[in-house]
Amino acid sequence: GIQVEQSPPDLILQEGANSTLRCNFSDSVNNLQWFHQNPWGQLINLFYIPSGTKQNGRLSATTVATERYSLLYISSSQTTDSGVYFCAVVPNDYKLSFGAGTTVTVRA
Amino acid sequence: NAGVTQTPKFRILKIGQSMTLQCAQDMNHNYMYWYRQDPGMGLKLIYYSVGAGITDKGEVPNGYNVSRSTTEDFPLRLELAAPSQTSVYFCASSAGSLGEQYFGPGTRLTVT
Repeated sequence: GIQVEQSPPDLILQEGANSTLRCNFSDSVNNLQWFHQNPWGQLINLFYIPSGTKQNGRLSATTVATERYSLLYISSSQTTDSGVYFCAVVPNDYKLSFGAGTTVTVRA
Repeated sequence: NAGVTQTPKFRILKIGQSMTLQCAQDMNHNYMYWYRQDPGMGLKLIYYSVGAGITDKGEVPNGYNVSRSTTEDFPLRLELAAPSQTSVYFCASSAGSLGEQYFGPGTRLTVT
């Protein structure tokens, strides 16, 4: 099956800092989503981004499908940004496959 | 519009017991999914359904069963619970095979 690799595995930020999370995938995909899992376990949809660039407030994402990677940018980080960020892709078998996640800790 | 709802939120089972995890969505989505998330890991697909009466296995189906009698509901049945089934279970839905998936709040299950 498709391999989804996220980096870094862990990230510690000071409040106000910027960061970039990366998602690499091993095969062509039809869909890519970014999720934030908050400390209470809830999965929150951030972006549905099979290609191109999208922005939502302090967050933005870019997917370059031809080069098999996606980036999630967090600007001016806040303590509420803490949690695990997951990248998930839909390859040709149409089944969503998740990466292992990046754990982000934002310190005040 | 409640989105995807799941019950119960928490459950403790003894080894060998059975239970059904409930999932419902009010977005009229055809596609529904069950995932499990083990500690420190991403989600793995257990079963999915492309419409009422149609279900298929995902990556980790052993020990589980599903049914889909209506568009709205997609229950997950655990028969003969085992400690390896201790996990957090998420239900999701989407409008199509490539559509954005929306997740429920999860059910935290412990088997002892």
